Amino acid sequence: GAGVSQSPSNKVTEKGKDVELRCDPISGHTALYWYRQSLGQGLEFLIYFQGNSAPDKSGLPSDRFSAERTGGSVSTLTIQRTQQEDSAVYLCASSHPQGTAYSNQPQHFGDGTRLSIL
Amino acid sequence: AQSVSQHNHHVILSEAASLELGCNYSYGGTVNLFWYVQYPGQHLQLLLKYFSGDPLVKGIKGFEAEFIKSKFSFNLRKPSVQWSDTAEYFCAVDSGTYKYIFGTGTRLKVLA
Repeated sequence: GAGVSQSPSNKVTEKGKDVELRCDPISGHTALYWYRQSLGQGLEFLIYFQGNSAPDKSGLPSDRFSAERTGGSVSTLTIQRTQQEDSAVYLCASSHPQGTAYSNQPQHFGDGTRLSIL
Repeated sequence: AQSVSQHNHHVILSEAASLELGCNYSYGGTVNLFWYVQYPGQHLQLLLKYFSGDPLVKGIKGFEAEFIKSKFSFNLRKPSVQWSDTAEYFCAVDSGTYKYIFGTGTRLKVLA
């Protein structure tokens, strides 16, 4: 079956430009997560969406980062005025909702977008 | 703050050798524990998970992990590795907040 789909797979852009990363979760998964994987570091939580609830944005590193999830499905992560330290792999994951009949659901990850800021 | 430590950053083994990758976490409450694997050029895949019950969990491809609550550990083991096990392995902890805390990963290279 279809897994989590992310696009683009690679993005190279100049410092100061804005970038938009897309995530299409597994059908039926109402929970969606964004993580960042920097060189030599573990995955860093960025943001969590669950259904129509207000997202948990507590992991976003600065106000240059924002994310939306339209229609409860596709999500976009936007980075404005990119900096070199934003270079990383951005991973999206989805799962069934936590804390429900589907409790303790593992997260399923996409292939990621490798972002390089020149 | 909660954290996950994977002490082995790089491991090199010959085929048929036994494997144990360490994972320790810092959180005193109930946790869900995971091992994910990322094969070269592929996405993160769930290897095994522990939610409750038997602390020895078995996953795919002959991997297993043991949850030792008193040691805050969830080490990954495999009795005999194969060349195809070459990958990066991540331990993750969920303290019930859905925000997985990941370790920095262990790169395993298995020599044929």
